[in-house]
Amino acid sequence: KQEVTQIPAALSVPEGENLVLNCSFTDSAIYNLQWFRQDPGKGLTSLLLIQSSQREQTSGRLNASLDKSSGRSTLYIAASQPGDSATYLCAVSSNTGKLIFGQGTTLQVKP
Amino acid sequence: DTGVSQNPRHKITKRGQNVTFRCDPISEHNRLYWYRQTLGQGPEFLTYFQNEAQLEKSRLLSDRFSAERPKGSFSTLEIQRTEQGDSAMYLCASSLVPTSGNEQFFGPGTRLTVL
Repeated sequence: KQEVTQIPAALSVPEGENLVLNCSFTDSAIYNLQWFRQDPGKGLTSLLLIQSSQREQTSGRLNASLDKSSGRSTLYIAASQPGDSATYLCAVSSNTGKLIFGQGTTLQVKP
Repeated sequence: DTGVSQNPRHKITKRGQNVTFRCDPISEHNRLYWYRQTLGQGPEFLTYFQNEAQLEKSRLLSDRFSAERPKGSFSTLEIQRTEQGDSAMYLCASSLVPTSGNEQFFGPGTRLTVL
């Protein structure tokens, strides 16, 4: 059974700091991995999708990496801003498409 | 707005009542997913459709839950005889396979409160 773990559960950093969020999964037979952002009481916003054959994806200040063999992904946020404050969720997909989510990392960026 | 939409956004009901939620996916997306999220947890998969066919259901989806996507466009999720444990955010997502690599786009969710 696939299990996804995100560490840390919460993180508070000063504005401008670079940071790394971690995601690990137990079964390396994944189809893809997605990182999402969720603001309180809202739906999920897709940030980055990494196919199983890829090692990383970049979008603006965000960079996500994938190491299938070790069952790990990281989300790197450069030059953090208060507007980045949210919960970040990692999810892995099998070939059936359903997503298995971690519990998320709640990020607070202090001005 | 061409994103995924969900209605209603909030629903308060009494225990034992039936409720129905609607999801309108991104136009031409052939897959539609339902997830449930409780406070402080990541979303959990409930079921998904490819076009009008329901291809997988989670064990979380008890007999009181039913989902349909009759014409392969919008979908409804009905919960019969609601229980307090059904209180959660119900999220819908859609994707286009195989073109987009099954990147899923989520709606704003329907928050259900069962009193």
